[in-house]
Amino acid sequence: TQLLEQSPQFLSIQEGENLTVYCNSSSVFSSLQWYRQEPGEGPVLLVTVVTGGEVKKLKRLTFQFGDARKDSSLHITAAQPGDTGLYLCAQGGTASKLTFGTGTRLQVTL
Amino acid sequence: NAGVTQTPKFQVLKTGQSMTLQCAQDMNHEYMSWYRQDPGMGLRLIHYSVGAGITDQGEVPNGYNVSRSTTEDFPLRLLSAAPSQTSVYFCASSYSGPPDNEQFFGPGTRLTVL
Repeated sequence: TQLLEQSPQFLSIQEGENLTVYCNSSSVFSSLQWYRQEPGEGPVLLVTVVTGGEVKKLKRLTFQFGDARKDSSLHITAAQPGDTGLYLCAQGGTASKLTFGTGTRLQVTL
Repeated sequence: NAGVTQTPKFQVLKTGQSMTLQCAQDMNHEYMSWYRQDPGMGLRLIHYSVGAGITDQGEVPNGYNVSRSTTEDFPLRLLSAAPSQTSVYFCASSYSGPPDNEQFFGPGTRLTVL
């Protein structure tokens, strides 16, 4: 079973700060997705990356896929309270099978 | 479109009881999955289906059964509930396989087994 480790587990920052969360695997990713989950709801897809070295931007969020496709990072610039949530990376597998990481819980305060 | 719907939203069972968690989607997705989410463990795949009549086991299938008689519905059955099955259960559907298999999740069912 491929393990996806996310770090840090918890992050509490103030509005306006920058942050980076990481997702690492013991094996090569075929593709990688990032989801955000708010309390009481299901996860919602933010981005999919498939090519080593790929960088994607979604407003203040920047996603990077490592050259060797064994790691990924999510960088948030000028965090806002609306960014609060659980951030999950997930590795794509066959059919509908995804392997999720353990998640990074982000709290952004005013 | 309602997307992915799950019922009930909350459920309390006694050890040994059985129940069915309902999941339905109206997006005509072929792929559907059930996950459980426990603190510090992310989401773990229980069972999944790639189309009506086809199901397969995920990472943690023991104690759960599924069937897929229609494209829209994918119920999860707990045969004899145990306290270890206390968790939040999410159903998800997707249009395609990897790498672009965006999963659409339902709102979850919070299950407590006493």
